[in-house]
Amino acid sequence: DVVMTQTPVSLSLAIGQPASISCKSSQSLLGTSGKTFLNWILQRPGQSPKRLIYQVSKLYSEVPDRFSGSGSETEFTLKISRVEAEDLGVYYCWQGTHFPLTFGSGTKLEIK
Amino acid sequence: QVQLKESGPGLVQPSQTLSLTCTVSGLSLTSNSVSWIRQPPGKGLEWMGVIWSNGGTDYNSAIKSRLSISRDTSKSQVFLKMNSLQTEDTAMYFCARNGGDYWGQGVMVTVSS
Repeated sequence: DVVMTQTPVSLSLAIGQPASISCKSSQSLLGTSGKTFLNWILQRPGQSPKRLIYQVSKLYSEVPDRFSGSGSETEFTLKISRVEAEDLGVYYCWQGTHFPLTFGSGTKLEIK
Repeated sequence: QVQLKESGPGLVQPSQTLSLTCTVSGLSLTSNSVSWIRQPPGKGLEWMGVIWSNGGTDYNSAIKSRLSISRDTSKSQVFLKMNSLQTEDTAMYFCARNGGDYWGQGVMVTVSS
């Protein structure tokens, strides 16, 4: 199984500060289709996960453009240009290139 | 508007079988695939398996021997059955459109006598 390693485990940031979360996979996530199925989701406290980014860098329509995703092969990054209060929660990367689908262990973002 | 909603018993006895239903609206099961994912309390997410739009299934090998996913397209429902439950199967169970763009609210299942 592909192991997804996220760092840091937690972040404590003030409103307006930038955030960066790393996600590394144990195998390349570049699929035979030429697409890389690396995605990011946010789970706010007491809620189910919500979609953020798919295929490394594509934002869903409702996601603010302060979020961005980048990376390739085995190393990926989620960035928030300026953290807002509503961004608190646990961020997970997950891969859909190889079966079984696997998730990172999560990065908890707290607001100072 | 796409919605998925899980339902099922909140409490299951050890060694018994868990049966959950995911009721889908706003999308057709004959052209969309649905996964089941679970999350033990305070822990991360584990993909359990998927039922593809053509009705085929794939399972996580870690639980494959205990798991079955099926569907009723006429009712827009996807079913999960997992047998031989143990306390470590206590978790929030989610269904989600494959691709992870739509998730249900989840249903908490506790395995306890």
